[in-house]
Amino acid sequence: QKEVEQNSGPLSVPEGAIASLNCTYSDRVSQSFFWYRQYSGKSPELIMSIYSNGDKEDGRFTAQLNKASQYVSLLIRDSQPSDSATYLCALRPGGYNKLIFGAGTRLAVHP
Amino acid sequence: GAVVSQHPSRVICKSGTSVKIECRSLDFQATTMFWYRQFPKKSLMLMATSNEGSKATYEQGVEKDKFLINHASLTLSTLTVTSAHPEDSSFYICSALLAGGSYNEQFFGPGTRLTVL
Repeated sequence: QKEVEQNSGPLSVPEGAIASLNCTYSDRVSQSFFWYRQYSGKSPELIMSIYSNGDKEDGRFTAQLNKASQYVSLLIRDSQPSDSATYLCALRPGGYNKLIFGAGTRLAVHP
Repeated sequence: GAVVSQHPSRVICKSGTSVKIECRSLDFQATTMFWYRQFPKKSLMLMATSNEGSKATYEQGVEKDKFLINHASLTLSTLTVTSAHPEDSSFYICSALLAGGSYNEQFFGPGTRLTVL
């Protein structure tokens, strides 16, 4: 089993809709979780970090963490075509500073 | 804040030559930096953790003699791909760890696209 699993997509949503991106992980000890956005040919950009169970909101983005279910998600409200990118879920294994990335979900927001 | 630069952004070299890539944290000090490699349509694969003043920690399967890492200062880490071959062609991305209390976050450089002919 991969440490971080994401559906590769593409996830296609209409402009203005809510995009829901999901991620599951296998390491129960992990405490820190991150969502990065990566445009084609560019490096990842940090969108959200989440460390506690529950929801964390930042503008149009909401990250949700459920450690019991080993599940972390990212909701993007009022999706815009500029949100079209690959979204990478990452975790920091317990006791380490390095990140383990999922394969990413490609999001396509169409007008 | 938390800006990381890489140089060069793009490099084309002949097979058998060595290529050095620089990673700099511009507005913060980073005792720890990371080097990743990303093949087309694939996720980031961590190659090594670069620690200022000490040897890098390589991930399993990464040849330390081929990918030389030097972290000589708190703002600079370099990756040298020695005797590059076409299979080393990839997108190399560094990140720097911004340490802040209990929460440490990585910020990425813009990446270096290496093409080995």
